[in-house]
Amino acid sequence: RKEVEQDPGPFNVPEGATVAFNCTYSNSASQSFFWYRQDCRKEPKLLMSVYSSGNEDGRFTAQLNRASQYISLLIRDSKLSDSATYLCVVNSNAGNNRKLIWGLGTSLAVNP
Amino acid sequence: ETGVTQTPRHLVMGMTNKKSLKCEQHLGHNAMYWYKQSAKKPLELMFVYSLEERVENNSVPSRFSPECPNSSHLFLHLHTLQPEDSALYLCASSRTDSDTGELFFGEGSRLTVL
Repeated sequence: RKEVEQDPGPFNVPEGATVAFNCTYSNSASQSFFWYRQDCRKEPKLLMSVYSSGNEDGRFTAQLNRASQYISLLIRDSKLSDSATYLCVVNSNAGNNRKLIWGLGTSLAVNP
Repeated sequence: ETGVTQTPRHLVMGMTNKKSLKCEQHLGHNAMYWYKQSAKKPLELMFVYSLEERVENNSVPSRFSPECPNSSHLFLHLHTLQPEDSALYLCASSRTDSDTGELFFGEGSRLTVL
């Protein structure tokens, strides 16, 4: 089993749609979780951290389910500019960034 | 505009060449990283430097040699590479290596080994 697993997609959705991605992780001791966004031929950028209680940032909502070992990202009212690859990142060591485990990413295409 | 700049953006080299990738961060961070991103593979951490001291070396072949002369600059020296080393090499920084998860990446150096 991969340490961090994501559905690669691609997800093709129309503008205005709601889309959700899941990411599962294998290490139950993992401490922190993140979603990064990577545009085509660009660098990854932090989209949001994922907190135990769930968190929202505008149209984006992230949730953590420790019992089932998955995190999710919900995008409401999709925009064309949301088209990108969304990378799930899990940190198995709360003390430093050396144990960040990256998923392969889920590709999203928002169509007009 | 990114606070982490990488040069060159593109590099083509033969297997016998020696070249270097350069990374500079303008964010006042103390930790810097080299990652490799290959098609159909997740990001792979190669090296971590904290306050110019290498703190992580993830079993990277010796044909990759990092150098961190100060906390703002990071190099990756390349020699006798193999075609399978062709990839996007990403430099990143964070305030410290104890920060959990927020890395700032450069745009990457796309390397092709012939």
